[in-house]
Amino acid sequence: NAGVTQTPKFQVLKTGQSMTLQCAQDMNHEYMSWYRQDPGMGLRLIHYSVGAGITDQGEVPNGYNVSRSTTEDFPLRLLSAAPSQTSVYFCASRRDTSGTGELFFGEGSRLTVL
Amino acid sequence: ELKVEQNPLFLSMQEGKNYTIYCNYSTTSDRLYWYRQDPGKSLESLFVLLSNGAVKQEGRLMASLDTKARLSTLHITAAVHDLSATYFCALLRESGTYKYIFGTGTRLKVLA
Repeated sequence: NAGVTQTPKFQVLKTGQSMTLQCAQDMNHEYMSWYRQDPGMGLRLIHYSVGAGITDQGEVPNGYNVSRSTTEDFPLRLLSAAPSQTSVYFCASRRDTSGTGELFFGEGSRLTVL
Repeated sequence: ELKVEQNPLFLSMQEGKNYTIYCNYSTTSDRLYWYRQDPGKSLESLFVLLSNGAVKQEGRLMASLDTKARLSTLHITAAVHDLSATYFCALLRESGTYKYIFGTGTRLKVLA
């Protein structure tokens, strides 16, 4: 199984540019989410989705948009990149909205905004 | 404000020694998760603790949960170099929600 796949793995942007981080999972998971990881701050939830057509904000949603048109895909859009968005981004999914709640993570996308 | 505090943040230990990582939290969540992250890599699930008093063991790692004390521990027995990684605890902000909050992580370095 591929599990959770993120692309790209590395990206450099200039301030003001836009881009989309892609996340796809092949486990038929209902729940998908995006985190950013910054040194000394653990992982912080940006947005999450409990199914196709349903999204909600996490603790640091500003500057990011998401949509969930299919069960498999959950892209994260940066509309106008800022240096403060330099981070490592992780996509994570879980089987459904019941169960143990264990998260499965992608390999991460390292974003640098100049 | 909900807090998840891990300590220590950094831990350097000799092979063969024992040590415990602590995860204190301020919500009433009845389940807690431990993850491992190798440098530059993704996070891997280690343990899922689903109730008060839960204890899980895998190799040299043992995790426990005390929901009354709002404390989880990750105990390392006879550490080996391969255990060098960053360990995170995580829980749901509120029961019935889907918002996870992570601790800041404990970076463990096991010296040969």
